[in-house]
Amino acid sequence: DAKTTQPPSMDCAEGRAANLPCNHSTISGNEYVYWYRQIHSQGPQYIIHGLKNNETNEMASLIITEDRKSSTLILPHATLRDTAVYYCIVRVGASIQGAQKLVFGQGTRLTINP
Amino acid sequence: GAGVSQSPSNKVTEKGKDVELRCDPISGHTALYWYRQSLGQGLEFLIYFQGNSAPDKSGLPSDRFSAERTGGSVSTLTIQRTQQEDSAVYLCASSWGDRGNYGYTFGSGTRLTVV
Repeated sequence: DAKTTQPPSMDCAEGRAANLPCNHSTISGNEYVYWYRQIHSQGPQYIIHGLKNNETNEMASLIITEDRKSSTLILPHATLRDTAVYYCIVRVGASIQGAQKLVFGQGTRLTINP
Repeated sequence: GAGVSQSPSNKVTEKGKDVELRCDPISGHTALYWYRQSLGQGLEFLIYFQGNSAPDKSGLPSDRFSAERTGGSVSTLTIQRTQQEDSAVYLCASSWGDRGNYGYTFGSGTRLTVV
């Protein structure tokens, strides 16, 4: 079962920042937060991940609260192409036994409006 | 190749027939995953291969489903005696699984329709 809770849908105006929340109140100390998105009819695309520090890359920023019970994915200047389902996932980090599978929830359907 | 390649991209089969779906992961990726996604639903984990370890088959829905990974590279997902409820998009992903915390790279999937 997915260990995250996300709103089922959100809207955002083109050019504005899209802030997607995720609750993971039962996250363990060795679990990372991952974000993926799935554009219609395509395979999911990796966006970003983090453990406890905020992270930024060319696609997005990830803000993780100090208690790590929630996080926010920020798309700084949303475009129409950012319309997709966004998945927030927690996963134990890789170890000598190998990586763990990702368990996907229902995600947030983000619609960017012109 | 540059990405995860899946074939065929579309497959229509008659109920009761067997099908094989193929996945070519990114060269060097040690971990390979199969998921399926029914229409309008989220991703359902099926099976996971990591290097030479025994695969995690905990997501396979029935014994009609099986998968193998030959030579640590190409994987084949086989569905025997297909049923209409097997209709879905079957997605394969690979990653650097044994060290680090890298994201998965997914293929474009195989859309299976059982008629």
